[in-house]
Amino acid sequence: NAGVTQTPKFRILKIGQSMTLQCAQDMNHNYMYWYRQDPGMGLKLIYYSVGAGITDKGEVPNGYNVSRSTTEDFPLRLELAAPSQTSVYFCASGPGVGVNQPQHFGDGTRLSIL
Amino acid sequence: KQEVTQIPAALSVPEGENLVLNCSFTDSAIYNLQWFRQDPGKGLTSLLLIQSSQREQTSGRLNASLDKSSGRSTLYIAASQPGDSATYLCAADGSGNTGKLIFGQGTTLQVKP
Repeated sequence: NAGVTQTPKFRILKIGQSMTLQCAQDMNHNYMYWYRQDPGMGLKLIYYSVGAGITDKGEVPNGYNVSRSTTEDFPLRLELAAPSQTSVYFCASGPGVGVNQPQHFGDGTRLSIL
Repeated sequence: KQEVTQIPAALSVPEGENLVLNCSFTDSAIYNLQWFRQDPGKGLTSLLLIQSSQREQTSGRLNASLDKSSGRSTLYIAASQPGDSATYLCAADGSGNTGKLIFGQGTTLQVKP
């Protein structure tokens, strides 16, 4: 079972460039999340989705956009990359409300903006 | 606003020692409290999830407790092994209907042979 798959694993961008971080899950989870983790820190929520066609902002959404056209995929778009967006990005999925089961995480995308 | 804190940031112990990792949260209205393990360069692996109505959960050598009144959770690791070396993160789910997690900064554990 693949679980949550993130691509690419590593990427270097120049300031002002744009890119899309891909995330796919094969567990038929309704809920999906994007977090970022800065060195020595915990994870902070960027955006989340409770189902296809529904997205909402988390704690640190500025500079990012998301879409959720299918249950499986939840891409994160960076527009006009800035050095402050250098981080490790994690995608996660969960079965949803009332199930009380933990989220499943991908291995992360390590992004450097120079 | 919910804040989650983990102290200490790093811990080094000899193999075989029992140890406790601490997690505190400011808002007691949580849906559940989760503990994760993170290995270098990897994602997070769920260890234990404690529902708000529970006091503790156990899995093998791991035991997690929850005290909402004091805003604290602990992760107890018995008979530590070098393979337990990793960063341990706790996270509070205060949403109840979206699963949004608030994470602590993590405790990096080193178990020396």
